[in-house]
Amino acid sequence: EAGVTQFPSHSVIEKGQTVTLRCDPISGHDNLYWYRRVMGKEIKFLLHFVKESKQDESGMPNNRFLAERTGGTYSTLKVQPAELEDSGVYFCASSRGREAVEKLFFGSGTQLSVL
Amino acid sequence: ELKVEQNPLFLSMQEGKNYTIYCNYSTTSDRLYWYRQDPGKSLESLFVLLSNGAVKQEGRLMASLDTKARLSTLHITAAVHDLSATYFCAVDSRGAQKLVFGQGTRLTINP
Repeated sequence: EAGVTQFPSHSVIEKGQTVTLRCDPISGHDNLYWYRRVMGKEIKFLLHFVKESKQDESGMPNNRFLAERTGGTYSTLKVQPAELEDSGVYFCASSRGREAVEKLFFGSGTQLSVL
Repeated sequence: ELKVEQNPLFLSMQEGKNYTIYCNYSTTSDRLYWYRQDPGKSLESLFVLLSNGAVKQEGRLMASLDTKARLSTLHITAAVHDLSATYFCAVDSRGAQKLVFGQGTRLTINP
């Protein structure tokens, strides 16, 4: 069974540019989460999808961030325009419906550097 | 607001030694999790602790939970180099389907 896949693994962009991160969850997993770790600090929750619906987006920093999960399969996280403080590692995680956070499977993350 | 604090944040130790990583959280929580991350890799689930007094062991790692003290420990016995990684604890806030993480403890084990 394939794990959670994130693409790209690294992205280096200039301030003001746009970047789109992609996450492919494990097949059959209804729950999809985005988390972020900035500058070696704690990993912080961004948002939670159940299938294609946003269940909780309370962790999204501001309106420069847009997450989508069309069709309830893969998800994208777009940052537009990127700012320096957006640099960090963006993790995606998925789980089956009933297990939610108890059995989360994480991807390897996308290292985003905004210069 | 639920907060999770780990200490130490950095730990360098010799092979064969024992050490403990501490994880404190600020409010009542349902479950406590320990994850391991190798550089550039995904977070790997190590333990899920569900109740007061829970203790789980896997190889040289043992995790425990004291819900009254809001404290979990991850004990490393006779460390080996392969255990070098960053270890995170996390809790899930009551009623919310999301994890609140600590800052992580970067563990380096020297031969």
